[in-house]
Amino acid sequence: GAVVSQHPSRVICKSGTSVKIECRSLDFQATTMFWYRQFPKQSLMLMATSNEGSKATYEQGVEKDKFLINHASLTLSTLTVTSAHPEDSSFYICSALTNIAGSYNEQFFGPGTRLTVL
Amino acid sequence: AQSVTQLGSHVSVSEGALVLLRCNYSSSVPPYLFWYVQYPNQGLQLLLKYTSAATLVKGINGFEAEFKKSETSFHLTKPSAHMSDAAEYFCAVRSSNYGQNFVFGPGTRLSVLP
Repeated sequence: GAVVSQHPSRVICKSGTSVKIECRSLDFQATTMFWYRQFPKQSLMLMATSNEGSKATYEQGVEKDKFLINHASLTLSTLTVTSAHPEDSSFYICSALTNIAGSYNEQFFGPGTRLTVL
Repeated sequence: AQSVTQLGSHVSVSEGALVLLRCNYSSSVPPYLFWYVQYPNQGLQLLLKYTSAATLVKGINGFEAEFKKSETSFHLTKPSAHMSDAAEYFCAVRSSNYGQNFVFGPGTRLSVLP
């Protein structure tokens, strides 16, 4: 089956630094990827939709200058948390959508990245 | 707009007992519906999905769910709980056309008592 990877799986950084998280579709091409955020003991909330070759679409309340998304290829989307602060600590999960015209497209989730900002 | 509600943030059952986790949805278009399980500090694992085929869907680990349009429900069941079923369960809805992101329910934590 299709696999989506995330790197790193866990990152600890100091306040004020920037952190990049990679999301890769390993065996399929994904023109669309999604980034979700999950706070402890809460559900997943969509942050943004990442489209290959174009600007990401951010959900209301998500700062686009804070959370930079780049989808430069059909298998890679990156999320950069700029000037991270402790309140950005969270579990970040990406998903990738298969791209078959005119049919149901499956969406596969990555294993998540745990970000801790000190 | 789509939304998902899960009745009961925490459900406890005895090992061997029936598991019933409730999910109701609202959607303005025919939905795709999903159940995911999440173990501590891990990502999501797909249990089963409804994509407009059979209304009774069988998934992994003995779980199944039935899509009931009249009740806008997609409840998850398992005849006999196992200790390894203890986890967080999320119901999710996804549009069948535009905007194929997931909208997740708040989750239900399942505890299995020996």
